[in-house]
This record gives sequence, C-alpha cells and structure tokens, in this order.
Amino acid sequence: DAGITQSPRHKVTETGTPVTLRCHQTENHRYMYWYRQDPGHGLRLIHYSYGVKDTDKGEVSDGYSVSRSKTEDFLLTLESATSSQTSVYFCAISEAGGPLSEQFFGPGTRLTVL
Amino acid sequence: AQSVTQLGSHVSVSEGALVLLRCNYSSSVPPYLFWYVQYPNQGLQLLLKYTSAATLVKGINGFEAEFKKSETSFHLTKPSAHMSDAAEYFCAVEEGFQKLVFGTGTRLLVSP
Repeated sequence: DAGITQSPRHKVTETGTPVTLRCHQTENHRYMYWYRQDPGHGLRLIHYSYGVKDTDKGEVSDGYSVSRSKTEDFLLTLESATSSQTSVYFCAISEAGGPLSEQFFGPGTRLTVL
Repeated sequence: AQSVTQLGSHVSVSEGALVLLRCNYSSSVPPYLFWYVQYPNQGLQLLLKYTSAATLVKGINGFEAEFKKSETSFHLTKPSAHMSDAAEYFCAVEEGFQKLVFGTGTRLLVSP
C-alpha cells in the first residue's frame, strides 16, 4: 500500500470554526490531490498540488484553501466551516501525473459540521 | 469539460453471475479512462485504465473493460461474481493534465 495517512480520521466541528485536514505521504510523489466524496456526486476535486508551493484549484474549491510547504504534506483548510462541507475527504498522490501515473488514495477523513 | 455517466446507482447479482457495470463518457478528444473500486471505509483503488494502447483492458481481481468509441462506453465486466467483489465502483476520465473527473458510482451487491 502507498504510504498515505490522513489526520484526523474523524472530526466533528461547529459552523464557523476553522478546520485543517492533513495529508502525509512517505512516497516522495510530486502530485497531491484533495477530493470530497458525497452521495450522488462521486468524488470531486477540490485542489491539487504539482510541487512544493505549487497548487491549483479544482472543481469545487470555493470555501477551501491548501498549502504545501514540504513534499510530504498537503494541508486542506476550511477557513469557516459550513454544514455544506460535511463530507468525506480523500487525499491522493501521484508520482508523475498524467494517465500513465496511478493516483493512490488515502483512507479518508469524515468531517461533520454541525 | 469531460464527464462520465454511470448507469445504475446499485447493481445486484448472485455469486457466480456475470457482473456488468456501465460507464459512458463525454469527451471531445480521445479520453483516458479509469475504473476504481472502493471497499467499505477505505480509499479508492485502481482496477484498470485505458490509455489507448488496447481497447480491451484487463485489470486486477478478474475485471476487464472494453473501450468502444462508437458507443462512447467503457463498461466494466467480470465473468463470475464473488462475494468479495461487493463494493462501490467508480468510472473516471482524465480532464486535462493530472485531474480526474469521477462518475457518481455504482454499488455492487453480491448475494449468495
């Protein structure tokens, strides 16, 4: 299994509070991704990173920010959580990017915003 | 924008029966297509991928998928279902460099 960990694995928070989710990899892969999974929507890309300090927006980036100061860590921040951000969040990594490079997924973080 | 449509949010089969999970894509250029599987409380795992090398793609666990350009389809099949195949399956297409667009998923139920 690819060395990807996500923390926390479960979190319950209140509307309006800031939340940071962490993705940590031990594979030294260049590309990292944050997705959210919701019933009826599959997985949707929030943000991705193609190198240290290099990030870009995905399909559903509003209300989220990311940072990558080290190759191994990719942080997802909800500045002011809303109930619509209740979801399961998955981190993924990819060595080289593109269709010949597989994305490996972490175990997920279940976030509940009350 | 690229997109994929998975027909049927749930598919039920008996153990030993054929598994057929449908995926149709929308793409203006030759697509790169993927099937992922998600077991309960786990992340996604790649089953197989189409990158134009061959239209019939074989993946792990006995699954395969056939790319049919004329039908814009990439259906996933397995000749004989096993109880351990019960999971959720996602079709995905690459949109631009690096990014995947996923379908809404199909949950496969396998009964004894």
